[in-house]
Amino acid sequence: EPEVTQTPSHQVTQMGQEVILRCVPISNHLYFYWYRQILGQKVEFLVSFYNNEISEKSEIFDDQFSVERPDGSNFTLKIRSTKLEDSAMYFCASSKRGVQETQYFGPGTRLLVL
Amino acid sequence: DAKTTQPPSMDCAEGRAANLPCNHSTISGNEYVYWYRQIHSQGPQYIIHGLKNNETNEMASLIITEDRKSSTLILPHATLRDTAVYYCIARDDKIIFGKGTRLHILP
Repeated sequence: EPEVTQTPSHQVTQMGQEVILRCVPISNHLYFYWYRQILGQKVEFLVSFYNNEISEKSEIFDDQFSVERPDGSNFTLKIRSTKLEDSAMYFCASSKRGVQETQYFGPGTRLLVL
Repeated sequence: DAKTTQPPSMDCAEGRAANLPCNHSTISGNEYVYWYRQIHSQGPQYIIHGLKNNETNEMASLIITEDRKSSTLILPHATLRDTAVYYCIARDDKIIFGKGTRLHILP
C-alpha cells in the first residue's frame, strides 16, 4: 500500500539555524500538507499546497516557513531561522484530488531546537 | 469545520468491541465525518469516513445517526495495538484536530 514518507525521522538543530524537512507524498496525489504537533498538544494545520502554490496557510505559518516541491516527488518544509518553540513533530500529508478528500499522513519528523 | 465532542478517555477489554462516541451537532450537509487515530507520537492514521450512511472497512465500522448529529466508531475486536488517541473530525476541507479520545485496551 502506498505511503507518505518523511526524512529525517529526527533532527536536532541549534536556534537560529535553517532546517529543511522532506516528504515524499503518495505518487498520484496532487494536494500536500504540513501539520505540526508540539509535545502534549493537538495536531495543528500549517499549510496546504497544490499546483505549486500555497492554497491555504494558518497563522502559525509565518515568514520563517516556506514550502516547495523541488521536483516531481519531494515536498519540503523549510524553517529559516529556528526558534526553541519550533520544537515539535512535523507531519506531512497528501490527498488525491482535493482538500476535502482523505488525507494520508507520514510518520513525522521530530525536530528539536536547542 | 463543525466542532466535535468526544470523551477524553475510555477503556475497553481486549477482544471486546470498542465503541467510541462523537457528537457533532452543528455538522453541515456537506461535511463528512472522519476518524483518525494516533498511536503514541506516530502520524495520524486514517480509519474511516462517511457522510450519511453507515460504513465498514477492514479496520472499523462507522455508525452515523439519521440526523447526523452524532456518530460511533466501532472497533469490533479490540487488541492491545488499538491503544491510541482517536480523533473524530467533521470536515469539508482542512483537518482541524481536537483532543480526541484516549482509548486504553486492557489485557
